[in-house]
This record gives sequence, C-alpha cells and structure tokens, in this order.
Amino acid sequence: GAGVSQSPRYKVAKRGQDVALRCDPISGHVSLFWYQQALGQGPEFLTYFQNEAQLDKSGLPSDRFFAERPEGSVSTLKIQRTQQEDSAVYLCASSLVAGGRYEQFFGPGTRLTVL
Amino acid sequence: TQLLEQSPQFLSIQEGENLTVYCNSSSVFSSLQWYRQEPGEGPVLLVTVVTGGEVKKLKRLTFQFGDARKDSSLHITAAQPGDTGLYLCAGPNQAGTALIFGKGTTLSVSS
Repeated sequence: GAGVSQSPRYKVAKRGQDVALRCDPISGHVSLFWYQQALGQGPEFLTYFQNEAQLDKSGLPSDRFFAERPEGSVSTLKIQRTQQEDSAVYLCASSLVAGGRYEQFFGPGTRLTVL
Repeated sequence: TQLLEQSPQFLSIQEGENLTVYCNSSSVFSSLQWYRQEPGEGPVLLVTVVTGGEVKKLKRLTFQFGDARKDSSLHITAAQPGDTGLYLCAGPNQAGTALIFGKGTTLSVSS
C-alpha cells in the first residue's frame, strides 16, 4: 500500500534553470492535484487532472509553469526559467474519485530552492 | 473569492491544556476538511464535516461545522506533545476541482 511519492525531495536550482518535479500517485486514483506551499502557509492550488485530462490550471502562476499527466498516472510539474519567487514546497495529492471535494492523499513534497 | 481564515496563527501551550482553533469564511462551503501536517511531510486528513451544526469527535479532538456552513472549529482536550503540528482547514472551490486551504495554525505542545 504505497502512498503518494514525489521526487526529488529537494531541488536546488540556479535562477533561470528549468526544473521537473515528479509525482507518483496512489495506483488507481483518478484525480491528481499540484499545490504550492510557502513556508508556514497553507497549500495553494496550482492544477488539477482527472485521469490524463487537465481540467483546471487556473492556479498556475505564470506560463513558465507547465504540468502533464500523459497516461493518467505519473505527473510532472515543469518550471521553466526559474525565479527566486518560485522557491517553495510543491505538493502533489491524489484522490480516488473525480473532483476536489473528497479526501486527498498528499505526498511529502519537493522543496525547491532557487538561488 | 472564497477565503478561509484561521486563528490563531500560532499557539504554544503546555501539555494537558485545552485549546480551540478557528476557521472562518464569508462564503458557504458544502463541506470542510481538517488536515494536520508535520514538518517535511504532506497534510493528512483528520476529518470531513458536511452538515451544518455537525460535531465529530476523534479521540481528544472535537470538530464542529457552523450552522451556516461558513465556519468550523477544532477543539483539543488535554493536549499532548504528539499533537504538535500545522493544522489546516480546507474546503472545495466552487468549481469542485481543488481544495482551498487556510493559512494554518501552528501548534506547539511542550511537556
């Protein structure tokens, strides 16, 4: 019974570099979410997938952020030309059913530091 | 815009004390969830409240959903050091595609 896993756990990038963050959701979970969490704050929604379809990307802060879930399982969040304000913990969550109204299971997050 | 405001932001208490954490909004939510997050980990669901006025108990934790479904509270009786963590309330956005989180209450319980 593996939970949600994320890799890498820590990432240090120089300003301007591209980064890719991976999320392995719980097998069979339909919904997948990405959140951004600043230190000591609550998570903020970035994007939502139902299977392979990206149904809501309204939380992505700029066009430098891109997410995909091509086969409806593993998802990747890509950030191009990273900026210092991108430094945060990026959380992935999955849910058994469609939509964001139900229990979400979170991974441990990837802590991104942009120098 | 749906917002969830939590208070207090920080709480530092001694083992055995009681405490209450509040989650308030000007918007009506169909349900509210409470999560607990420890350093270096993702949030873990404690409870979901759905019906206005609902009270749920989880051992020493008591959760209440306001009658108008705009607010919720978490009461901990006889706090223990293991209760230390970040407590987050969350509710579904209007589109039903994500959770909106409050900023959280950081609880520290010392022995």
